Amino acid sequence: QVTLRESGPALVKPTQTLTLTCTFSGFSLSTSGMCVSWIRQPPGKALEWLARIDWDDDKYYSTSLKTRLTISKDTSKNQVVLTMTNMDPVDTATYYCARTRRGDGSGSYSFDYWGQGTLVTVSS
Amino acid sequence: QSVLTQPPSVSAAPGQKVTISCSGSSSNIGNNYVSWYQQLPGTAPKLLIYDNNKRPSGIPDRFSGSKSGTSATLGITGLQTGDEADYYCGTWDSSLNWVFGGGTKLTVL
Repeated sequence: QVTLRESGPALVKPTQTLTLTCTFSGFSLSTSGMCVSWIRQPPGKALEWLARIDWDDDKYYSTSLKTRLTISKDTSKNQVVLTMTNMDPVDTATYYCARTRRGDGSGSYSFDYWGQGTLVTVSS
Repeated sequence: QSVLTQPPSVSAAPGQKVTISCSGSSSNIGNNYVSWYQQLPGTAPKLLIYDNNKRPSGIPDRFSGSKSGTSATLGITGLQTGDEADYYCGTWDSSLNWVFGGGTKLTVL
């Protein structure tokens, strides 16, 4: 049974750094083809992909946010950590982590399991 | 402004069929696989379709996906009130970003 759970502060101040942890079970990030992504959703708005880390430690970042994001993994703890610097009120959103499965075809990826999300509010 | 274009809303009566379009370009849909996600109110998104037209275990065959060129379509038949949700398409892009559509709100009248 695959599960993911996001954890981190519910409230951060502008200019602070946000650190979110995704703790998962039911799969290993050392297995070929396994990845974990972070996705966020501002209240009432669409989903926005942030970053992905692969089983081989390859990392991918949203072009618009890459200067502020760092993704890392601790395979032994089954955790993926996302840090986002210089937080702003526009970063207020529910942040999700999702298992990202690479399929057989080139360019085949999908988010097959999601955490329940954690709401982060940026306010002074 | 989302990279993938979806209609903001669609509606249909219970028992009817509805389709949701997702339009992209050769840098995303045209050369990669599309997946679709259902987000019921107040919940996390759920994978409905992957690799353009495949259903994960447990997803009823009322849900179908297709892709042609730089566009993809999600079809839902036998609409139920429980299908009322936001639906998102997504795919990998040549910019090495994952891109989502802006989401479509389905109302079952």
